[in-house]
Amino acid sequence: GNSVTQMEGPVTLSEEAFLTINCTYTATGYPSLFWYVQYPGEGLQLLLKATKADDKGSNKGFEATYRKETTSFHLEKGSVQVSDSAVYFCALNVIGDYKLSFGAGTTVTVRA
Amino acid sequence: DTAVSQTPKYLVTQMGNDKSIKCEQNLGHDTMYWYKQDSKKFLKIMFSYNNKELIINETVPNRFSPKSPDKAHLNLHINSLELGDSAVYFCASSPLPSPQETQYFGPGTRLLVL
Repeated sequence: GNSVTQMEGPVTLSEEAFLTINCTYTATGYPSLFWYVQYPGEGLQLLLKATKADDKGSNKGFEATYRKETTSFHLEKGSVQVSDSAVYFCALNVIGDYKLSFGAGTTVTVRA
Repeated sequence: DTAVSQTPKYLVTQMGNDKSIKCEQNLGHDTMYWYKQDSKKFLKIMFSYNNKELIINETVPNRFSPKSPDKAHLNLHINSLELGDSAVYFCASSPLPSPQETQYFGPGTRLLVL
């Protein structure tokens, strides 16, 4: 089956620290990979995505590279801000599956 | 201009009641979804419709019945509510049911069953 395993949280950082959230996947087909972010009390928003191997998705200073050889899509940001405090979800979607399969979510708190 | 909207935002009700959650998208998308987020933030697909036709029906109790009157709407009706139904329900839409498409999520409906 298709599944996503992501780093368990919660993660607490100071402002300007480096953030990495690990994400690995198992897929029966060739997946597209996504990072969604959920700010407190809100719905999910797409943060970035990559649809083929070696693609790099980037947005708002966040980056993730689709690594087929390690089946990974780790999220990174070089210098976090308090406004980055949120829950981050890694997800995949495979042809014929029609749905997003999400990881468990990682709660990130950034302190001033 | 809200892209994907849900009503109500909060719903508190008693066990055994029947309730509905409405979802509308103004993005012109063909595909809509319902996801359930439990208290540990875990998200799981429940249903998906493409152009008013059901394409995903995960292992969900038949007390849950989705209805899509047109492409822009996907409502969720829940009969005989149980304590375990307490969760946040998210509606989402995408242009097509393609794995490369971004899904756009609504703000969620927080359901509490007492």
